[in-house]
Amino acid sequence: AQSVTQPDIHITVSEGASLELRCNYSYGATPYLFWYVQSPGQGLQLLLKYFSGDTLVQGIKGFEAEFKRSQSSFNLRKPSVHWSDAAEYFCAVGATENTDKLIFGTGTRLQVFP
Amino acid sequence: EPEVTQTPSHQVTQMGQEVILRCVPISNHLYFYWYRQILGQKVEFLVSFYNNEISEKSEIFDDQFSVERPDGSNFTLKIRSTKLEDSAMYFCASSEFGFHNEQFFGPGTRLTVL
Repeated sequence: AQSVTQPDIHITVSEGASLELRCNYSYGATPYLFWYVQSPGQGLQLLLKYFSGDTLVQGIKGFEAEFKRSQSSFNLRKPSVHWSDAAEYFCAVGATENTDKLIFGTGTRLQVFP
Repeated sequence: EPEVTQTPSHQVTQMGQEVILRCVPISNHLYFYWYRQILGQKVEFLVSFYNNEISEKSEIFDDQFSVERPDGSNFTLKIRSTKLEDSAMYFCASSEFGFHNEQFFGPGTRLTVL
C-alpha cells in the first residue's frame, strides 16, 4: 500500500535561514507527488506538484522540491525562510492511476524565529 | 480568488446525534472530496464524488456516513450517529478536472463528539 512519511514533526528555523522539509514515499511506480501548506485557520494550499519530467519542481512562495527516485524522496526546500512561512506542511502522494485520492503524511509544523 | 468554504468552523455534538457538515466547492469544479484528520494523525481520504455519485470511498466511510449534493452549490457530509472516534477536522476539497489535478481545500470543520 502507498504511504508517505514526514520524519520531522516540528522544525524551528531563524528567519532568513534555509529550509528543507523531508518527505519519503512508498509506491511501486512513478508517483504523483504534492506539497500542501496549511496556515492557521486556512485550508490546505498547494505549493507544488510533480507528475513527470524535470525532477526539480518550482512552486509558489519561493519553494521548490526535488524528486529522487533512488531515495523515494520528495523534499521541500526554500533558500531563505520568511516569518510568514510559519505553518504546517503536508506531503501527499496520488495513489494510483485509477483513483484521484491523495495519501498524506502526518505533516511538519514549521516555526520561524525573527 | 475563488475558494472552497465550509460551515460550521466548529461543531460540538453529543454521541449518537446526527451531524451535517457543509461545503461550498468552487463553482466550476466537478469533482468533490471529503478528508478528515484526527488530532495528531494523518489527513485521511474519506470519499470522492463525481456526477452525482460516489466514485470512491475508503474503509472509514461506512454506512454511518453519506454525502450529497442537494443543489448546484452545496456538498454535504452527514454522519448519522456520531461516535467519540468521529472527532476530527473534516476537510472538503474540489477539483475542476479530477485525477491528480489540483484539489482545492476548504479551511475545515472541527467536529467534537462528547
